[in-house]
Amino acid sequence: DIQMTQSPSTLSASVGDRVTITCRASQSINSWLAWYQQQVGKAPKVLIYEASSLESGVPSRFSGTRSGTEFTLTISSLQPDDFATYYCQQYYSYPLTFGGGTKVEIK
Amino acid sequence: QVLLVESGGGVVRAGRSLRLSCAASGFPFSTYTFHWVRQAPGKGLEWVTLISYDGSNRYYADSVRGRFTISRDNSKNTLYLQMNSLRPEDTALYYCAREAADYLDYWGQGALVTVSS
Repeated sequence: DIQMTQSPSTLSASVGDRVTITCRASQSINSWLAWYQQQVGKAPKVLIYEASSLESGVPSRFSGTRSGTEFTLTISSLQPDDFATYYCQQYYSYPLTFGGGTKVEIK
Repeated sequence: QVLLVESGGGVVRAGRSLRLSCAASGFPFSTYTFHWVRQAPGKGLEWVTLISYDGSNRYYADSVRGRFTISRDNSKNTLYLQMNSLRPEDTALYYCAREAADYLDYWGQGALVTVSS
């Protein structure tokens, strides 16, 4: 199985901050990676697919990049609605696997 | 709009069975692959299983293979998860999710399954 290692597990930030979350795959997954946001008490919502493609309707402050097996989700200017938990997920092979999550908290 | 509504969750004793349903609307159900993903209380996301658009392909996580069965009824726009031999570690919120170009683009609100020992 492909392991997805996400860091940090928790991140404290303020509104307006630039935030970066990293996800590393245990082997090559090409660009078959998605990022999801999960607000408290809600279902996950896709933000980014294929490592860097923005899902329709998602604000442009969210972006994703890939460097080999390392992937990054960046929020350019944190908004109040962005305090949530973020997960990466590879869909290169089964079983699909998720990172452990990054909780973005208010500083 | 796309709507996925899970039902069938509840409290069950270990070793018993439960069947979840996911009713879909707002899109051509029979053309999409679907997944079940679960989330134990306070934990992260764990993929469980998927079924292709026509039911011909199914994959399972090792943790549920042989105990859970995914199925679908395209005439009823409904996805199912039959869960047998339930264990306390199966306690979780179970989400159904639609697949779009391999990633999961729409999720239901989840059905809570609690397995008591």
